[in-house]
Amino acid sequence: QVQLKETGPGLVQPTQTLSITCTVSGFSLTSYYMQWVRQTPGKGLEWMGFIRSGGSTEYNSEFKSRLSISRDTSKNQVFLKMNSLKTEDTGVYYCARGAFAYWGQGTLVTVSS
Amino acid sequence: DVVMTQTPPSLSVAIGQSVSISCKSSQSLVHSDGKTYLNWLLQNPGQSPKRLIYQVSNLGSGVPDRFSGTGSEKDFTLKISRVEAEDLGVYHCVQATHVPYTFGAGTKLELK
Repeated sequence: QVQLKETGPGLVQPTQTLSITCTVSGFSLTSYYMQWVRQTPGKGLEWMGFIRSGGSTEYNSEFKSRLSISRDTSKNQVFLKMNSLKTEDTGVYYCARGAFAYWGQGTLVTVSS
Repeated sequence: DVVMTQTPPSLSVAIGQSVSISCKSSQSLVHSDGKTYLNWLLQNPGQSPKRLIYQVSNLGSGVPDRFSGTGSEKDFTLKISRVEAEDLGVYHCVQATHVPYTFGAGTKLELK
């Protein structure tokens, strides 16, 4: 069955870079686009960007200058990297398949020194 | 960016009651391909969001038919007939017609 699971660092210091991996099973990344969504206390649910089945990306301009989404299809993994973290980036980060049909459990990221 | 306005922000309901939630967008959500990419999600307490409805009125996989979605252009409604305990949580609308995709602020459904 379709499964998605995010793994992240938990705690990140301000100004540092966040790296999260979404590992999927039950489908191929070359058949579906994958989204990243975060949920913060300040702004609720925010769409961050996606990577298409063909590998091209689209980003929310809110994050564009510091966000990167990539993937390794051989490992069934999608990656989120965001630099210059601020305390306001604290929240739960989710990967989702396609039109929000499937979601991972989310990974809590706390930005604090 | 498209602003999604959800009302009401909260609802207090009794089990078995029917309720409706409204979602209005600041721009038409009709895509150039003719489809309208308006989804409804439910986030139960402590859980990830789950998609209930896609493209305005299509029921997601495994979603009970007491959920229904209607609307067009800029005005959309989610209706829950005969609320059950498992329906409690926060409902979000999200548009996927225009980049950036944007979410409503949510409607919290609570037990009366």
